[in-house]
Amino acid sequence: AQSVTQLDSHVSVSEGTPVLLRCNYSSSYSPSLFWYVQHPNKGLQLLLKYTSAATLVKGINGFEAEFKKSETSFHLTKPSAHMSDAAEYFCVVSDPSWGKLQFGAGTQVVVTP
Amino acid sequence: DAGITQSPRHKVTETGTPVTLRCHQTENHRYMYWYRQDPGHGLRLIHYSYGVKDTDKGEVSDGYSVSRSKTEDFLLTLESATSSQTSVYFCAMAAAGVNNEQFFGPGTRLTVL
Repeated sequence: AQSVTQLDSHVSVSEGTPVLLRCNYSSSYSPSLFWYVQHPNKGLQLLLKYTSAATLVKGINGFEAEFKKSETSFHLTKPSAHMSDAAEYFCVVSDPSWGKLQFGAGTQVVVTP
Repeated sequence: DAGITQSPRHKVTETGTPVTLRCHQTENHRYMYWYRQDPGHGLRLIHYSYGVKDTDKGEVSDGYSVSRSKTEDFLLTLESATSSQTSVYFCAMAAAGVNNEQFFGPGTRLTVL
């Protein structure tokens, strides 16, 4: 069975400071991993994905994530938060044997001036 | 949201009534998905389709049915709506299988009174 745990339901950062969103996963197989972002009243948009190539993955809007197999983690980071980063972020794991995506519960990011 | 739309965007209905939500895509993508989003649960898969007339159940399929008679349309039906089906429903599409990016529609907010 596969599962995804986002360790923080809410994260508050000041504009210009680093952002860290934590995600741990479990999977019986080598998974593909994604981060999606959802702005208020919008659908989800892909930030980045890991599919067994480079362990450090760069995405859109300055975000990046590092796949650490030994820690079963896929944490999302950004060096400097912008007001437009305020949104909900979802860590997602796919398992080809199951053929579907498993979403984490989400992390709400608040950016203060 | 490009290339995928949902209708209606908002709906209020009463317990016991049938409800059909429509997802329409213009990208000729093979795979389509219906999810529901509830606080604390992320997105959960209801049903998905891997081609015209080819559908399968997700993790929360009870009380829902789907149909896909054309590549571009994927319908979700609540046969007899219940208050527990009050949620935000998202449709998604993908060109290929589960390791590939899914593109999400803008969502439908359904309230069952």
